[in-house]
Formats: sequence, structure tokens, C-alpha cells
Amino acid sequence: DAGITQSPRHKVTETGTPVTLRCHQTENHRYMYWYRQDPGHGLRLIHYSYGVKDTDKGEVSDGYSVSRSKTEDFLLTLESATSSQTSVYFCAISALAYDNEQFFGPGTRLTVL
Amino acid sequence: AQSVTQLGSHVSVSEGALVLLRCNYSSSVPPYLFWYVQYPNQGLQLLLKYTSAATLVKGINGFEAEFKKSETSFHLTKPSAHMSDAAEYFCAVRVTSGTYKYIFGTGTRLKVLA
Repeated sequence: DAGITQSPRHKVTETGTPVTLRCHQTENHRYMYWYRQDPGHGLRLIHYSYGVKDTDKGEVSDGYSVSRSKTEDFLLTLESATSSQTSVYFCAISALAYDNEQFFGPGTRLTVL
Repeated sequence: AQSVTQLGSHVSVSEGALVLLRCNYSSSVPPYLFWYVQYPNQGLQLLLKYTSAATLVKGINGFEAEFKKSETSFHLTKPSAHMSDAAEYFCAVRVTSGTYKYIFGTGTRLKVLA
């Protein structure tokens, strides 16, 4: 199994509070991704990173920011959590070539009350 | 723009019956296609991938998929369903227009009936 961990695995928070989710990899892969998974929507890309300090937006980036100061860590921050951000968040990594698949972390279940 | 469509959000089959999960893609260039499986409360795992080496791709757990360019399809099949195949399955395409994004279908939940 690819070495990807996510923390925390579960979190309950209140509307308006900031939340940071962490993704850590031991594979030294260049690309890292944050997705959210909601029923009926599959996986939707929030942000991704193509190198240290290099990030770009995905299709559902509003209300989220990311940072990557080291190859192994990719942080997702909800600046001011809303109930619509209640979801399961997955981190994924991939290597350089186009035919490389993604490897997924175990997910973080976030509930915003 | 590249995209994938999975027909059928829920599929039920009897144990021992053929599994067929449908995926159609849209791409103006040769696509890189993937099937993933997600068991309850877990992340996604790769089942198989198409990278143009062969049109019939064999994956883990007895699954296979056939790339059909004329039909823009990449359907997932398994000859005989097992109870342990109950899971959600996602088709995905890698975007090749200068980014390294992947686009996922909305998923198909497979139920296996005893």
C-alpha cells in the first residue's frame, strides 16, 4: 500500500470555525490532490499541487485553501467552515507520467454543525 | 474537454452472475482510463487502467475492462459476481491538456444478492 495518511480521520466542528486537514505521504510523489466525496457527486477536485509551493484550483475550490511547504505534506484549510462543507475528504497522490494512477488516503469525515 | 459518464448509480446482480458496469468517456485525444473500487469507509483502490498498450485490460479480483474507441466506452466486467464485490466503483480519466488532473464519474454502487 502507498504510504498516505490523513489526519484527523474524523472531526466535528461548528459553523464559522477554521479547520485544517493534513495529508502526509512517504512516496515522494510530485502530485497531490484534495477531493471531497458526496452522495450523487462522486469525487470532486478541490485543489491540487504539482510541486512544493505550486498549487492550482479544482472544480469546487470556493471556501478552501491549500498549502504545500514540503513534498510530503499537503494541507487543506477551510477558512470558515459551513454546513455545506460537511463531507468526506480524500487526499490522493500520483507520480509524473500520464498513465500513472492515483493512490488514495483513508479519508477524513468532517461534520460541520 | 475530457469527461466520463457512468450509467446506473446502482446495479444489483445475483451471486455468480455477470457483472457489467458501464463507463463512457469523452476525449479528443487517446485517453488514459482507470477503474477504482471503494469499499465502505475506505479510500479508493485501483482495479485496472488503460494506457493504450492493449484494448482488453485485466485487473485485480477477476475484473477486466475493454476499451472500445468506436463506442467511446470502457465498461467493467466480471464473469461471476461474489459477495465480496459489493462496493462502489468509479471510472476516471486523466486530463492530458497540460494539467495532471483526473476526472471521476459519479460512481456505481454494486449490490450482490445471495
